[in-house]
Amino acid sequence: QQQVKQSPQSLIVQKGGISIINCAYENTAFDYFPWYQQFPGKGPALLIAIRPDVSEKKEGRFTISFNKSAKQFSLHIMDSQPGDSATYFCAARGTGNQFYFGTGTSLTVIP
Amino acid sequence: DADVTQTPRNRITKTGKRIMLECSQTKGHDRMYWYRQDPGLGLRLIYYSFDVKDINKGEISDGYSVSRQAQAKFSLSLESAIPNQTALYFCATSRNGGRGTEAFFGQGTRLTVV
Repeated sequence: QQQVKQSPQSLIVQKGGISIINCAYENTAFDYFPWYQQFPGKGPALLIAIRPDVSEKKEGRFTISFNKSAKQFSLHIMDSQPGDSATYFCAARGTGNQFYFGTGTSLTVIP
Repeated sequence: DADVTQTPRNRITKTGKRIMLECSQTKGHDRMYWYRQDPGLGLRLIYYSFDVKDINKGEISDGYSVSRQAQAKFSLSLESAIPNQTALYFCATSRNGGRGTEAFFGQGTRLTVV
């Protein structure tokens, strides 16, 4: 059973557009929600993260929106660039520092 | 130098062979993890270790075993490899608890079982 559901599986966006990736969870014990970015041939790397007591976190062009009551969170990439083309994973941290990952979204930004 | 180093980076092995994937870290983290990545399935936890004496099964531990030889070393073994264990394997580390303790990943090992 997938603890964290992620959509869409793939996304194509024009350069300068907004990329939006959504995730949902059920376990209210999750206490930390990171997003990871993975380029081909590389391991996932932390992009941005949020705690459940915050509704939004912004770092440069990347923003996490968090809706605790709906148990949903999303990643927004503003002014998307070709260099943002990668696979993005949402994750949630449970008890014992276990991380549960979404299935990933392959983002392609067209020049 | 990478903080989390995995060896080998690529490996092709035959069905039934025993294979070991190794991970070492210089981050000084207590917690280490082995994940498997498959297309469309994301990252799934195989085993995790909170310290040298504490090893726990993850979601998909069947067919795998691990050894935590030291705080900095965590190896994953496939006792008798089978083709559906063909995947990209990642080792990760994290600090012990608290906020902001995200996982740091190695570069991955691409394993092919033929």
